[in-house]
Amino acid sequence: NAGVMQNPRHLVRRRGQEARLRCSPMKGHSHVYWYRQLPEEGLKFMVYLQKENIIDESGMPKERFSAEFPKEGPSILRIQQVVRGDSAAYFCASSPPDTYEQYFGPGTRLTVT
Amino acid sequence: QKEVEQNSGPLSVPEGAIASLNCTYSDRGSQSFFWYRQYSGKSPELIMFIYSNGDKEDGRFTAQLNKASQYVSLLIRDSQPSDSATYLCAVNKGGGFKTIFGAGTRLFVKA
Repeated sequence: NAGVMQNPRHLVRRRGQEARLRCSPMKGHSHVYWYRQLPEEGLKFMVYLQKENIIDESGMPKERFSAEFPKEGPSILRIQQVVRGDSAAYFCASSPPDTYEQYFGPGTRLTVT
Repeated sequence: QKEVEQNSGPLSVPEGAIASLNCTYSDRGSQSFFWYRQYSGKSPELIMFIYSNGDKEDGRFTAQLNKASQYVSLLIRDSQPSDSATYLCAVNKGGGFKTIFGAGTRLFVKA
């Protein structure tokens, strides 16, 4: 059973560019979560999605950030016009229907230069 | 007051001892509680979850929950150097799917 997959594992972007982070949940999982982790800090909830629906995006910055989980394909976290403060590890987690246990992918390390 | 609070540590215990990690939370509506282990540079790994008051044991790990005191703990018996990591307490806010993580407690197990 493949676990949660994320790509790319490392992403370097210049200020002002766009970053697209992808997440494929575990087989059978229909819920996807995105988190951001700054160095030496805890995980910060960003958004929770089910297929074709954003359920809770209360942790997403109001501008430049968006997320989707289409009917087909991976979930995408999109950051437009990146700034240095966006540099962080972004983790995706998935969970089976009707449970709260989350299983994490390896993360994408975003560096903004 | 932080929504989920943990002592940042580091907590240092000798090999073979019991490590005790503690966590308090502020939302009385929370129903689901989790412990994750995170090695440096790696992603969090779910090691325990508990939904009811009392103790839940899985191998060397025991999770304890006291909803009246808004307190959850993790005991690691027979600690091994490989247990050295940061342990994250996580709580579902208001009984829903949004999960709030504590900042983590760093554990060092000395050989």
